[in-house]
Parts: sequence; structure tokens; C-alpha cells
Amino acid sequence: AQSVAQPEDQVNVAEGNPLTVKCTYSVSGNPYLFWYVQYPNRGLQFLLKYITGDNLVKGSYGFEAEFNKSQTSFHLKKPSALVSDSALYFCAVEKNRDDKIIFGKGTRLHILP
Amino acid sequence: SAVISQKPSRDICQRGTSLTIQCQVDSQVTMMFWYRQQPGQSLTLIATANQGSEATYESGFVIDKFPISRPNLTFSTLTVSNMSPEDSSIYLCSVDRGPNGGNTIYFGEGSWLTVV
Repeated sequence: AQSVAQPEDQVNVAEGNPLTVKCTYSVSGNPYLFWYVQYPNRGLQFLLKYITGDNLVKGSYGFEAEFNKSQTSFHLKKPSALVSDSALYFCAVEKNRDDKIIFGKGTRLHILP
Repeated sequence: SAVISQKPSRDICQRGTSLTIQCQVDSQVTMMFWYRQQPGQSLTLIATANQGSEATYESGFVIDKFPISRPNLTFSTLTVSNMSPEDSSIYLCSVDRGPNGGNTIYFGEGSWLTVV
């Protein structure tokens, strides 16, 4: 069965420092991978996705994610964190188009001023 | 992307009552999804709503508890029936707008229900 793991419940980063939010997946074949962000009292917003091609995917708000097939990872990154990046981040995986999308449990990102 | 409007945005409901959540999309979509996000938890898919057919429910969710309507390609409703405090959650409507392979699911702002 497909699954996605976010090993950190919370990540704290000082403003201006680079940030990484980790995600690993367990899916056979070539999955589709996604990152979503949930700001306080809001719904989920799509950040970026990987389907095929370049392993480095760029998304909204300066975020990017690197697909690593050998390590089955899709870590979210940003070169310089902003306080406004503080939110709950969800990684998601889909085995094939029209399959269900499975969400990780989420990682709470705190950017410290 | 898609503009997805949900109503109500928040509500406090009495135990034993039912509440219907509406989801309106700004353009026609084939697939609409309803998710639940319990406090401090991740998202769980309740059902997939396709126009012109009955909704497809995930394991652990049944039509009697969560009846869904999909009368056209831009609208859907989810009813939470006979509510208990365990139903206190965010209920999220979402649509599939994925070009070029790979679904991209866009979400509404959610309906935040508290059952007392």
C-alpha cells in the first residue's frame, strides 16, 4: 500500500536561514508527489508537485522540492525563511493518476524572528 | 487553480442534529472530493462525488452518516448526520484540476464544525 511519512512533527528555523521539511514515501513505480500548506484557520493551499522530469521542482512563495528516487524522498526547501512561512505543511503522494492521494500527517513549521 | 467556496465556514452544532455543507466551484469539474481533518490530524478522504452517479465512499465512511449530493458539475453538498462530538472536524471540499497527468487537488477554505 502506498504511504507517505513526515518524520518531524515540528521544525523550528530562524528567520533568514534555509529550511527543509522532510518527506519520504513508499510507493512502487513512479508516483506523483505534492506539497500543500495550511495557514492558521485556513484551508489547504497547493504549493508544488512533481510528476516527471527535473528532480528540482519550484513552487509558490519561493519554495522548492527535490525528488530523490533512490532515497524515495521529496523534501521541501526554501533558501531563506520568512516568519510568514510559519504554517502546517503536508506532503502527499499519488501512485497513478486517478488513484487516491494520500497525505502525510503534517509538519508544523515555526520561523523564529 | 480553482475558486472553491464552502458554506458554512464555521458552525457550532448540537449533538444529534445534521448539517449540510455546500461547495461551489467557479467552473465545471469532473471529480469533487470531500475530506475530513480532525483536530491535530492529517486529511482523510471521505468520498469522491461524481456528477450523475452515487458517491464513492472510503473505508470507514458510509452514506447514511455522510450523504452526498452532486447535482451538477459545479456544486456538491456533504451532510453530516446525527452528529456527535467525535464529528467535530474541518470538512474540506476539493476538486481535481490536474493538467498533464497527476491530479492537482485544490481545496476550499473548509467548514469548521464543533459539535456540543
